[in-house]
Amino acid sequence: DAGVTQSPTHLIKTRGQQVTLRCSPKSGHDTVSWYQQALGQGPQFIFQYYEEEERQRGNFPDRFSGHQFPNYSSELNVNALLLGDSALYLCASSQPRGIGYTFGSGTRLTVV
Amino acid sequence: RKEVEQDPGPFNVPEGATVAFNCTYSNSASQSFFWYRQDCRKEPKLLMSVYSSGNEDGRFTAQLNRASQYISLLIRDSKLSDSATYLCVVNMEYGNKLVFGAGTILRVKS
Repeated sequence: DAGVTQSPTHLIKTRGQQVTLRCSPKSGHDTVSWYQQALGQGPQFIFQYYEEEERQRGNFPDRFSGHQFPNYSSELNVNALLLGDSALYLCASSQPRGIGYTFGSGTRLTVV
Repeated sequence: RKEVEQDPGPFNVPEGATVAFNCTYSNSASQSFFWYRQDCRKEPKLLMSVYSSGNEDGRFTAQLNRASQYISLLIRDSKLSDSATYLCVVNMEYGNKLVFGAGTILRVKS
C-alpha cells in the first residue's frame, strides 16, 4: 500500500518564477494538508483541502494557492517566488477528522 | 509568543543516558498532542500521542499537564539510533491543522 507520494523530490527555481508541487494521498485518505518547513524550523501549516475545497488556511500570502482533484490528489502552486520560499514542502494526508495523518517525504525547493 | 515552544537544543548525551524534553503551548483550547521524530532531511514521523494520564511506549514516556499547558517526553537508555530532531505538536481542532514546535535536536554519542 503506497503511502503519500510527492513530486518532484527536488527543485531549483529562479526568483520571480512559479512552481507547482504535487501530492498523491495514501489510499483511503481524502484530506490533504500542505506544510512549509524552513531550515531549522518546524513545519508551518499552509492550507488543507477536503472535498476539493480549501477548508482552512495558515498565515501564508495569496502567492500560495492549491487545488484538490476528484481523485483526492492535490497541487500546491507558488507564484512570484522569493528567496525566502526555499524550504522543504510537506504534504500530509488523512481520513476525515485527522485519522491516520501521514506525511510524504517532501519536495525540497531551492529559489536562487 | 509562539503557539508551541520547545527546549532549545542540541542535547548531547552518552548512550544509556536518560534525557527529557519539555514543551509548552499557548492555546488552552488545544485538543490533541503528539511527539514526532524527524531524521535529517526526512519527513516527520509520529513517535507517540500524548494523553492526560501519561503514556509509555517502551523506552519513551510522554506526559501532558493541561493546567500548565505543558508536554514532556522522557527517553530512557538512549541509543545511537535515537539521534534525531524531536518535534512537539499540538492540534487545535481534531482533524484540522497541526501546529509544530521548532524541534529539539538530540545527539546520542558512544
